[in-house]
Amino acid sequence: EVQLVESGGGLVQPGRSLRLSCVVSGINFPDSAMHWVRQAPGKGLEWVSCINWNSNSIGYADSVKGRFTISRDNARNSLYLQMNSLRPEDTALYYCARWLAGLDSWGRGTLVTVSS
Amino acid sequence: AIQMTQSPSSLSASVGDRVTITCRASQGIRNDLSWYQQKPGKAPKVLIYAASSLQSGVPSRFSGSAFGTDFTLTIAGLQPEDFATYYCLQDYSYPWTFGQGTKVEIK
Repeated sequence: EVQLVESGGGLVQPGRSLRLSCVVSGINFPDSAMHWVRQAPGKGLEWVSCINWNSNSIGYADSVKGRFTISRDNARNSLYLQMNSLRPEDTALYYCARWLAGLDSWGRGTLVTVSS
Repeated sequence: AIQMTQSPSSLSASVGDRVTITCRASQGIRNDLSWYQQKPGKAPKVLIYAASSLQSGVPSRFSGSAFGTDFTLTIAGLQPEDFATYYCLQDYSYPWTFGQGTKVEIK
């Protein structure tokens, strides 16, 4: 069974940092391109970032470039998102997802709330 | 960044109707587009990838097509479980971008 489990969300003040994790099982994680997608409350989906299998290709949305850093640890089957200088507009449910034929496997998400 | 303009933003339809949703890319993206269905409180689910390839396990009433920078998701014979929000996603170039979404509601 494929499982992607996000963690690390919570309430954080503007300007502070948070690190999200996604632990993956049931798929060949070291061979997988991985993504973060977020969804603000009541809003649509926003692609955030992606990383290929060996971390040689990384992309970011313009809204997070320079503040967020994606990384992975293939030995731990884990994906990460380091989020710095958080803003209220970063408040969202953050999903990790695997890209194969489309984004074909998703976690349930972890909620990040940025508020003073 | 490539803009994906999705239309309509919402529609009302009846069971059995044929429904069409469109995404227009602001520039050429080959066929690097996928379609997702999202139900309330759930993660999205991929329906179509590479513009017209049906994801394994997805009913054949869903289909995708492309003409230039215009991409279409068609549901042939809407079923009760199809009432949801649908999104397109371009994976041609960074940053990848989703369409704004189309909410399909019961008439």
